[in-house]
Amino acid sequence: GNSVTQMEGPVTLSEEAFLTINCTYTATGYPSLFWYVQYPGEGLQLLLKATKADDKGSNKGFEATYRKETTSFHLEKGSVQVSDSAVYFCALSEIQGAQKLVFGQGTRLTINP
Amino acid sequence: DAGVTQSPTHLIKTRGQQVTLRCSPISGHKSVSWYQQVLGQGPQFIFQYYEKEERGRGNFPDRFSARQFPNYSSELNVNALLLGDSALYLCASSLWTGEYGYTFGSGTRLTVV
Repeated sequence: GNSVTQMEGPVTLSEEAFLTINCTYTATGYPSLFWYVQYPGEGLQLLLKATKADDKGSNKGFEATYRKETTSFHLEKGSVQVSDSAVYFCALSEIQGAQKLVFGQGTRLTINP
Repeated sequence: DAGVTQSPTHLIKTRGQQVTLRCSPISGHKSVSWYQQVLGQGPQFIFQYYEKEERGRGNFPDRFSARQFPNYSSELNVNALLLGDSALYLCASSLWTGEYGYTFGSGTRLTVV
């Protein structure tokens, strides 16, 4: 079946550091790919998405590129802020049936001032 | 415009009891999905409904059921609660095609004691 694997956390960085959170997937066909963010005590917020190979999703300084050849969708940000502290989930949307989301296990990110 | 609204926000139930969770999707969205998020894990797909019909079901026991109403709101029912059902239950709404992403509510935190 389809699956998503994220880099294990937690990840702790200093403010203004460069961030990479790795995400790879296994899927039939070419699913849409997403990054969601979850702040403490809240639901999931869509951070960015890409619907086809070589697409780059971007939002709030975060970027991720849909790499079909390496089945990856790594999340990057050039300069993180304390307010970026949250749990980040990589997910794919299956292209058959219910088109449900399949999530990775999440990566907890803490940014220290 | 209102986002996805879920009620109640928190709930405490005793083992063996039954619970009903409610979700109202974004106006214009006809699809509602339910996910279970156990602490420290990524969300797991439970159900998807579109136009009042079940379009997908995850690997959950028959104690879990759901329905969608003519106004596209939805209820998730869980019977014979177990301690392991304690989780954050998330509702997500979308247009039919999930490739463009889902909008999540803030969730219902269910604690089974």
